[in-house]
Amino acid sequence: KAGVTQTPRYLIKTRGQQVTLSCSPISGHRSVSWYQQTPGQGLQFLFEYFSETQRNKGNFPGRFSGRQFSNSRSEMNVSTLELGDSALYLCASSLEGVSSTDTQYFGPGTRLTVL
Amino acid sequence: AQSVTQLDSQVPVFEEAPVELRCNYSSSVSVYLFWYVQYPNQGLQLLLKYLSGSTLVESINGFEAEFNKSQTSFHLRKPSVHISDTAEYFCAVSDSELTGGGNKLTFGTGTQLKVEL
Repeated sequence: KAGVTQTPRYLIKTRGQQVTLSCSPISGHRSVSWYQQTPGQGLQFLFEYFSETQRNKGNFPGRFSGRQFSNSRSEMNVSTLELGDSALYLCASSLEGVSSTDTQYFGPGTRLTVL
Repeated sequence: AQSVTQLDSQVPVFEEAPVELRCNYSSSVSVYLFWYVQYPNQGLQLLLKYLSGSTLVESINGFEAEFNKSQTSFHLRKPSVHISDTAEYFCAVSDSELTGGGNKLTFGTGTQLKVEL
């Protein structure tokens, strides 16, 4: 099976712009989670989607949003970009995610740079 | 709320020497525990996990971790490291009683393991 794919791999934006990142989970996986990785804050949970519904949410401002489509693919959007949004954004998928016992498989990430 | 502490940001070690990467957590509820590894320019890969049962869990590449509830620790060990083990290692916890289910991992800040010849 193909792994989790994320597009684009690299992105450069300027402050104030918005950006959309895409994640395709492993075939058959229905849960998709997003994480932000920065040198200062480490890995932080953004949100999780399951069956097109946001099931869990981290402590990020409303500028960060996401959605999931019927084929389980997910997108996250960041509006009004700030310099501090520069990070590696990781997507992870799991089968059902009914509980955290499901193994999460991570994609390679999207490196976002905000200038 | 949960938190994970990885006190060692970097651990240098010679090849074939043993290594221990420390992880302590804080939580008011029961948790599941995980170790992930991240190689340069790659995503995270699950190394091993503790859900229940035996407190000693092993990975296929020789790593092991022991869950110690009284010390709230989940240290990662390997008796003999290889150059290819050079990577960043992250300890993570999740709430085993998450309302509504689902995935929500809380990560430590990571430990960079550098294996030298």
